[in-house]
Amino acid sequence: EAQVTQNPRYLITVTGKKLTVTCSQNMNHEYMSWYRQDPGLGLRQIYYSMNVEVTDKGDVPEGYKVSRKEKRNFPLILESPSPNQTSLYFCASSLLNPWALHFGNGTRLTVT
Amino acid sequence: AQSVTQLGSHVSVSEGALVLLRCNYSSSVPPYLFWYVQYPNQGLQLLLKYTSAATLVKGINGFEAEFKKSETSFHLTKPSAHMSDAAEYFCAVSEGSSNTGKLIFGQGTTLQVKP
Repeated sequence: EAQVTQNPRYLITVTGKKLTVTCSQNMNHEYMSWYRQDPGLGLRQIYYSMNVEVTDKGDVPEGYKVSRKEKRNFPLILESPSPNQTSLYFCASSLLNPWALHFGNGTRLTVT
Repeated sequence: AQSVTQLGSHVSVSEGALVLLRCNYSSSVPPYLFWYVQYPNQGLQLLLKYTSAATLVKGINGFEAEFKKSETSFHLTKPSAHMSDAAEYFCAVSEGSSNTGKLIFGQGTTLQVKP
């Protein structure tokens, strides 16, 4: 089954404790992206990747890192999480153009 | 700069009634347009997309949308609402000529379907 898999689904952590949210897709998509969803703000892009070893900032990249060492994986790293990073995070992938994104089921992160 | 406006954060219809969710966009170049649906505790699922072919686009679950360039609109419709259509719906736009793949999402419209 074609899918984007994120783990974990739920995560509660404390300020400053490094964490990684994994994302994997099995559709051989070149493009992958991370979004965060917050009430009243909709979805905002954090980082994206056009292909292996090619990443770039989205609209809200501060406090996040990503890597794309393999085509199928695109982990999101929070080196020192803060409470304002409490959010619902989505990983998505697509072929290059026309950018019809396939989304994972989300990771709900709470930073206390 | 691109932007997307969804009119109405909440829309309520009766089962069997017409569903109309409004989306207006601004884009300096011919856009690609999308509608996504989000069910509780799930990710976004693509309903349909417009990529400069036919202006009337049919999607899954009986939904369709019409691209109207003169009105810069891409409203989503369904002739007869079903209880299972209750969800949040997002309109999104990307520049057709863009090489970044970035989608700009609207704020979302929650559809309530009453029995």
